[in-house]
Amino acid sequence: AQKITQTQPGMFVQEKEAVTLDCTYDTSDPSYGLFWYKQPSSGEMIFLIYQGSYDQQNATEGRYSLNFQKARKSANLVISASQLGDSAMYFCAMREVLIQGAQKLVFGQGTRLTINP
Amino acid sequence: DTGVSQDPRHKITKRGQNVTFRCDPISEHNRLYWYRQTLGQGPEFLTYFQNEAQLEKSRLLSDRFSAERPKGSFSTLEIQRTEQGDSAMYLCASSIEARETQYFGPGTRLLVL
Repeated sequence: AQKITQTQPGMFVQEKEAVTLDCTYDTSDPSYGLFWYKQPSSGEMIFLIYQGSYDQQNATEGRYSLNFQKARKSANLVISASQLGDSAMYFCAMREVLIQGAQKLVFGQGTRLTINP
Repeated sequence: DTGVSQDPRHKITKRGQNVTFRCDPISEHNRLYWYRQTLGQGPEFLTYFQNEAQLEKSRLLSDRFSAERPKGSFSTLEIQRTEQGDSAMYLCASSIEARETQYFGPGTRLLVL
């Protein structure tokens, strides 16, 4: 079974600095997908970025980038030029394939990011 | 895209009562998922629908839980005889068949007293 580990319960960063949120994963499937979601205090899970296991380049979406190191089984999220609105819980998740080609997400414990002004 | 919607956003109930939550997925999405998130944890998968068929259920989904998606559009999650341990955030997500990203709704926060 897939497993996601996020070892940083909390991170505190000064506004405008870059921040890296760690995520390591474990799977025996050769094909997999990794996701990052942001969860503000309101509770909604907001999709940020996706990386497929066969993607040749690291994924980027605006200020978000994914530092994908396949051999080390890590998929760290990098947020550049952090903003106060980035304060939230961040979850790393992995796709696990179910029957009939469907999938579920397996989530890590999350990292609470606080941006200080 | 109006996004995934869930109703109600908050529910307080007494132990032993039944509750029902509703999820409306993004209109063209034929896959629908329910997750449960307890305090300080990541979401955990409960069940999955492809169109109206419920194809996967987690062991977390006890006999007191039932989910339906009668016409392949909205879905309901019912909890019978609620227990204090059912207190959690219930999240619904949907995805389109050809893509893999799941988009989540705002969730329903349940508190069982």
